[in-house]
Amino acid sequence: NAGVTQTPKFQVLKTGQSMTLQCAQDMNHNSMYWYRQDPGMGLRLIYYSASEGTTDKGEVPNGYNVSRLNKREFSLRLESAAPSQTSVYFCASEAGSNTEAFFGQGTRLTVV
Amino acid sequence: KNQVEQSPQSLIILEGKNCTLQCNYTVSPFSNLRWYKQDTGRGPVSLTIMTFSENTKSNGRYTATLDADTKQSSLHITASQLSDSASYICVVRVYNFNKFYFGSGTKLNVKP
Repeated sequence: NAGVTQTPKFQVLKTGQSMTLQCAQDMNHNSMYWYRQDPGMGLRLIYYSASEGTTDKGEVPNGYNVSRLNKREFSLRLESAAPSQTSVYFCASEAGSNTEAFFGQGTRLTVV
Repeated sequence: KNQVEQSPQSLIILEGKNCTLQCNYTVSPFSNLRWYKQDTGRGPVSLTIMTFSENTKSNGRYTATLDADTKQSSLHITASQLSDSASYICVVRVYNFNKFYFGSGTKLNVKP
């Protein structure tokens, strides 16, 4: 049982480049989330998907887009990367509001 | 303003000792409170989830308490081990929304 799988684990981008972070879960969870974590700060929600076919903005959505491709997969796209997007990105999933959330291992992104 | 504040920011204890981490929140309306453990370079792992009606919940050597009246929670670690060295994050969920408030975490260092 793999849980939540994120790819890639590390990435270096030049300013203005685009990329997509991939996330897949094999637990049949309805809700999926994308967070970023910056040094000294708590995790901040970028986007979430409460169910297949729906997505909503979180706390810090600017500069990002998401796609809930199917129940398993939730991708995060940076259209034009900026140095301010240098961060560690985590994907998470959960079955319901009072159930345990599972996090992926994170993607460490550096924009130069 | 909805907030989650954790204390202390960092803590050093000797292996085998007990410790207690604090979490105060002002989030309303309240749905549940979660404690996560995050090892360096890895995603958070759920320790406990408590709803409004739950006062105490244990997971092995970890025991979380919740006082919904004073909006305080604590995480007590018994007989600490070197592997307990990690950041511990308190998260409060807003009722009826996919919205979470994360604390900045307490960094625990267990020394031999």
